[in-house]
Amino acid sequence: EAGVTQSPTHLIKTRGQQATLRCSPISGHTSVYWYQQALGLGLQFLLWYDEGEERNRGNFPPRFSGRQFPNYSSELNVNALELEDSALYLCASSFPNSQETQYFGPGTRLLVL
Amino acid sequence: QKEVEQDPGPLSVPEGAIVSLNCTYSNSAFQYFMWYRQYSRKGPELLMYTYSSGNKEDGRFTAQVDKSSKYISLFIRDSQPSDSATYLCAMSGGGSGNTGKLIFGQGTTLQVKP
Repeated sequence: EAGVTQSPTHLIKTRGQQATLRCSPISGHTSVYWYQQALGLGLQFLLWYDEGEERNRGNFPPRFSGRQFPNYSSELNVNALELEDSALYLCASSFPNSQETQYFGPGTRLLVL
Repeated sequence: QKEVEQDPGPLSVPEGAIVSLNCTYSNSAFQYFMWYRQYSRKGPELLMYTYSSGNKEDGRFTAQVDKSSKYISLFIRDSQPSDSATYLCAMSGGGSGNTGKLIFGQGTTLQVKP
């Protein structure tokens, strides 16, 4: 069974640009979660999508946004990139009502220059 | 004070040793306790999942939760060099407090030497 997939694996942008990161969940999973793993800060919760709706967001500014498509895949958009946005962005998925067991993808490493 | 505290290590042990990894937490609402393993430059892999207090065993791995002390542990028996990774504890609340959000510890880096 295929795991969570993310693309691209690496992304290099400059300050002020926009970044779009993509995630495909495990088959049968309808919930998608996004986390940021910055050096020294650990994994920080960004967003939770389920059935196409944003269910919760973490303590991040509005320039972090996303959406979930009818096939449950998801996109994370980061606008007006700042240097401190450089991090590993991880997507996870779970079955409905099983938020405690989240399965992670390999991540997208974003570098903002 | 962070909600979840985890000693970052690094922890270095010889092959075959028993490894003990620990986390403490402050939020008594946490009901679900997870351990993830993360190899360098990879995503976290779910190892163990425990609901409320008690022990859970899976092969060489044993997870323990003591809610009265707000303390969780992961034991690795007969450690192997392939166990060398960063181990992350994670927690979440239950019931109507479901937020989709896992709260992670900082991770403990483990090195098992041959």
